[in-house]
Amino acid sequence: DQQVKQNSPSLSVQEGRISILNCDYTNSMFDYFLWYKKYPAEGPTFLISISSIKDKNEDGRFTVFLNKSAKHLSLHIVPSQPGDSAVYFCAASAGANSKLTFGKGITLSVRP
Amino acid sequence: DSGVTQTPKHLITATGQRVTLRCSPRSGDLSVYWYQQSLDQGLQFLIQYYNGEERAKGNILERFSAQQFPDLHSELNLSSLELGDSALYFCASSVVDGPYGYTFGSGTRLTVV
Repeated sequence: DQQVKQNSPSLSVQEGRISILNCDYTNSMFDYFLWYKKYPAEGPTFLISISSIKDKNEDGRFTVFLNKSAKHLSLHIVPSQPGDSAVYFCAASAGANSKLTFGKGITLSVRP
Repeated sequence: DSGVTQTPKHLITATGQRVTLRCSPRSGDLSVYWYQQSLDQGLQFLIQYYNGEERAKGNILERFSAQQFPDLHSELNLSSLELGDSALYFCASSVVDGPYGYTFGSGTRLTVV
């Protein structure tokens, strides 16, 4: 039962353009959402998060949007840079529970 | 360097064997989490310890066990290994007992042959 879904396994964008990474969830108890970035041979690195009381959170080039009614969130990267090429994981948690439920990840390739 | 140290980085062992994976959290972090990433899968939560006590348990097999020691390092013990246990095992740590962006180590790649 995949409660966090990243349906597209990969995405390729041109440097300088916008990257939009999508994530859907099924568990209505999820109230905190995170994005992690992972380079090969490294562990995931926390990127940005959003609480369910907000619908947008921005940090530099990274913005996460949350649509609770659609149980959908997205990560926007503007402008995309070659160094952004990595696997991006969407994750969610419910209440004070420390456990994170991760999606399978999406591989982003930014072409120079 | 994230500050979370996992050893060994790679491990190859035979079916039926037992291995121990070690994790040293970032200085000051009290929570340690273990995750498993199998091929083409997201990270699956295994278990969490907070200041030496088990705090939460996920889909951890009975053949697997973990503990957190007084110096806060943690060990994940995997026994009676099967081919399907081959995976990346990540440890993460955080200061608080909460889901707020914990820091991951670089993982231990376990290959069972």
